[in-house]
Amino acid sequence: NAGVTQTPKFRILKIGQSMTLQCTQDMNHNYMYWYRQDPGMGLKLIYYSVGAGITDKGEVPNGYNVSRSTTEDFPLRLELAAPSQTSVYFCASSYSRLAGGGETQYFGPGTRLLVL
Amino acid sequence: TQLLEQSPQFLSIQEGENLTVYCNSSSVFSSLQWYRQEPGEGPVLLVTVVTGGEVKKLKRLTFQFGDARKDSSLHITAAQPGDTGLYLCAGEDSGGYQKVTFGTGTKLQVIP
Repeated sequence: NAGVTQTPKFRILKIGQSMTLQCTQDMNHNYMYWYRQDPGMGLKLIYYSVGAGITDKGEVPNGYNVSRSTTEDFPLRLELAAPSQTSVYFCASSYSRLAGGGETQYFGPGTRLLVL
Repeated sequence: TQLLEQSPQFLSIQEGENLTVYCNSSSVFSSLQWYRQEPGEGPVLLVTVVTGGEVKKLKRLTFQFGDARKDSSLHITAAQPGDTGLYLCAGEDSGGYQKVTFGTGTKLQVIP
């Protein structure tokens, strides 16, 4: 298993440009997540999905959109890039939520985005 | 919004020393996880604690969940350079679809 893969690894965008960050997992996980991590900080949840066709906002969804047409893929779309979106983006997946079980989240290697 | 505060933010110690990292919140979590993240990589899960008062050990690392499930601590005995990294706690939302709130992080450097 490759686990969680993300592309691209690094990207520079100009203000106002758009792009899609790709995320794929091959573990047949139901739950998928997008986080952003600013330098020296923890992770903030952007969007998450509990299964194909179902998505919901996290803590910082503004400026982003997601879709979940398949179990494997969970792309993150930036429509009008802004400097405030300069960050490292992590995609994660987990199998399911056991009642208070704290199912393991598996993270991809991240996409580093610089908006100038 | 649930907040998780970690302390200290930065810690630089000599190899062989002991240290404790704290993770505190005013919210109750159904479970709490600790991750370690190395530069250029995603976080990797170290442990999950579920029951209030629970203590888990992973070699030289000891994790404790507070009785009220609002706080946690990570204690490292005889730190090694390989322990260097960013330590993140993450609390699982008791009411949501496994939404976790990440702490602010503790950056640990162990000097040989």
